[in-house]
Amino acid sequence: QKEVEQNSGPLSVPEGAIASLNCTYSDRGSQSFFWYRQYSGKSPELIMSIYSNGDKEDGRFTAQLNKASQYVSLLIRDSQPSDSATYLCAVAANAGGTSYGKLTFGQGTILTVHP
Amino acid sequence: DADVTQTPRNRITKTGKRIMLECSQTKGHDRMYWYRQDPGLGLRLIYYSFDVKDINKGEISDGYSVSRQAQAKFSLSLESAIPNQTALYFCATSDPASLTQSANTGELFFGEGSRLTVL
Repeated sequence: QKEVEQNSGPLSVPEGAIASLNCTYSDRGSQSFFWYRQYSGKSPELIMSIYSNGDKEDGRFTAQLNKASQYVSLLIRDSQPSDSATYLCAVAANAGGTSYGKLTFGQGTILTVHP
Repeated sequence: DADVTQTPRNRITKTGKRIMLECSQTKGHDRMYWYRQDPGLGLRLIYYSFDVKDINKGEISDGYSVSRQAQAKFSLSLESAIPNQTALYFCATSDPASLTQSANTGELFFGEGSRLTVL
């Protein structure tokens, strides 16, 4: 089992719809969770981070975290064609020890928003 | 100019050749990382360094070595390249001072990537 697993894609939604991206992780002690966006041919860029259970909203983006279920999701409201990209879920390893400061990434979900 | 610069951006080489990918940064960050990206596998950590004297293996370090020549420079070497090392390689940096939570990494700043093809 991969440490960080994302829902298989690709995901295609119409413009204006809500895109839902999901991620599960295996290390119950993980503390920090991130969503990166990667446009084709470009490097990843951070769009959301979340550390506590619940929802965190930033503009059209909402990250949701449920540590009991080891689940993190990203919702994109009013999806736009410019949101078309690969979305990478990343989890920071447990605090302390040799795992400190490392991010483990999921395999990515390709999102296409069509007009 | 990019804050995290990788060279070369593209390289085609043959099996058995030694290859070095270089990364330099102007962000002043102590932490530097090398990841590789393969289709369907996401980003996988090869090596990371928290300061000039600190080098750590990631999940896929076999076949690779690194050198942290200075705070700003972190190079990745393939001593004898093989075809399954064909991938997109990213260097990244992070700044522990940017942490908003007590003990975990924050944002990674990526270079533009180095696409390596081993024939």
